Amino acid sequence: QQQVKQSPQSLIVQKGGISIINCAYENTAFDYFPWYQQFPGKGPALLIAIRPDVSEKKEGRFTISFNKSAKQFSLHIMDSQPGDSATYFCAASKRNTDKLIFGTGTRLQVFP
Amino acid sequence: NAGVTQTPKFQVLKTGQSMTLQCAQDMNHNSMYWYRQDPGMGLRLIYYSASEGTTDKGEVPNGYNVSRLNKREFSLRLESAAPSQTSVYFCASSHPPRGQETQYFGPGTRLLVL
Repeated sequence: QQQVKQSPQSLIVQKGGISIINCAYENTAFDYFPWYQQFPGKGPALLIAIRPDVSEKKEGRFTISFNKSAKQFSLHIMDSQPGDSATYFCAASKRNTDKLIFGTGTRLQVFP
Repeated sequence: NAGVTQTPKFQVLKTGQSMTLQCAQDMNHNSMYWYRQDPGMGLRLIYYSASEGTTDKGEVPNGYNVSRLNKREFSLRLESAAPSQTSVYFCASSHPPRGQETQYFGPGTRLLVL
């Protein structure tokens, strides 16, 4: 049973385009939603995170949009660059726990 | 700071062999985790330790054991390796409480079980 569903599995975007990755969850007890970025041969690293008290968080070219009523959140990468080519994981955790539930990952390829 | 370190980087085992994956962190974090990463499955939690002396099962604990040796070190043991345990294993650490949940991952151990 996948508690956090992520799509698409893979994504190909041209340089300068917008990359969008979507995640959906069922458990309303989740209150922390991070995105992790993983380059080939490396461990994942935190990219950006949001809590459900805001609908959007932006850090540079990366934005999380959060829709609490739909139980969905998405990562938008503006002006995508070849250096953004990586696997992206969404995740969620419940209040008062430190365990993360990860999505299945999206492999993003940005071509020049 | 080295962050989270893992040894070995690569390992090939035969079915039935045992091995221990080592993990250490130098960030004084309380919580440590072991994940496995498989294509199309994302990161799945095997075991975690909320503090020194405590361990709990995650989503996929069968076939594994763990030891939280001290605050710095958290090891994962495969007693009798099976081909289904071929995977990339990541150790991570974090330091709750709320607002500091970022998990810091090691570089991973690639394990092939023949």
